[in-house]
Amino acid sequence: AQTVTQSQPEMSVQEAETVTLSCTYDTSENNYYLFWYKQPPSRQMILVIRQEAYKQQNATENRFSVNFQKAAKSFSLKISDSQLGDTAMYFCAHNSGGSNYKLTFGKGTLLTVNP
Amino acid sequence: KAGVTQTPRYLIKTRGQQVTLSCSPISGHRSVSWYQQTPGQGLQFLFEYFSETQRNKGNFPGRFSGRQFSNSRSEMNVSTLELGDSALYLCASSSSRAWGQETQYFGPGTRLLVL
Repeated sequence: AQTVTQSQPEMSVQEAETVTLSCTYDTSENNYYLFWYKQPPSRQMILVIRQEAYKQQNATENRFSVNFQKAAKSFSLKISDSQLGDTAMYFCAHNSGGSNYKLTFGKGTLLTVNP
Repeated sequence: KAGVTQTPRYLIKTRGQQVTLSCSPISGHRSVSWYQQTPGQGLQFLFEYFSETQRNKGNFPGRFSGRQFSNSRSEMNVSTLELGDSALYLCASSSSRAWGQETQYFGPGTRLLVL
């Protein structure tokens, strides 16, 4: 069974600093996708970044980047120049596609950006 | 493009009643997935539909059911409501036309409270 583990229930960072959120996963698939979603207090789930497992290059989206270590099954999210609006719950998720049409989520990390 | 929409946004029901939630996917998306989010269990997959066919189902009792219409709109139904069904129900859509189209985009959710 696929599992996703986020070992940091809560984190905090000062505005303008950099923070890294950790995620590990377990899968027997070779081709799959990994995602980071952000859920602010409004509860709207927003896609932050995605990574295809077959791509060695780490994905980046503006201030957000990932460190994807396929052999270690690790997928961490780095947020640079943190902003107050980054305060949210962050979920790591895995989707193997194929015949398994679902996202498996971690428990989430609550990130607070302090002024 | 308009995003995923869900109605109603908030709902209060009593134990034993049934409820129907609706989801309209992003235009052109044919896959709709449903997730239940609770503080204790986190985000759990309910089911996924593609072209009116259920392709995958999570580990939920038969009281939870769903369907998809020819225009890709989807409904989920919960019968004989229990207190533990109180949750945020999230709908997500994806184009799912081919490998590489697996990103799911979420609606704002329906918050269900069972009294």
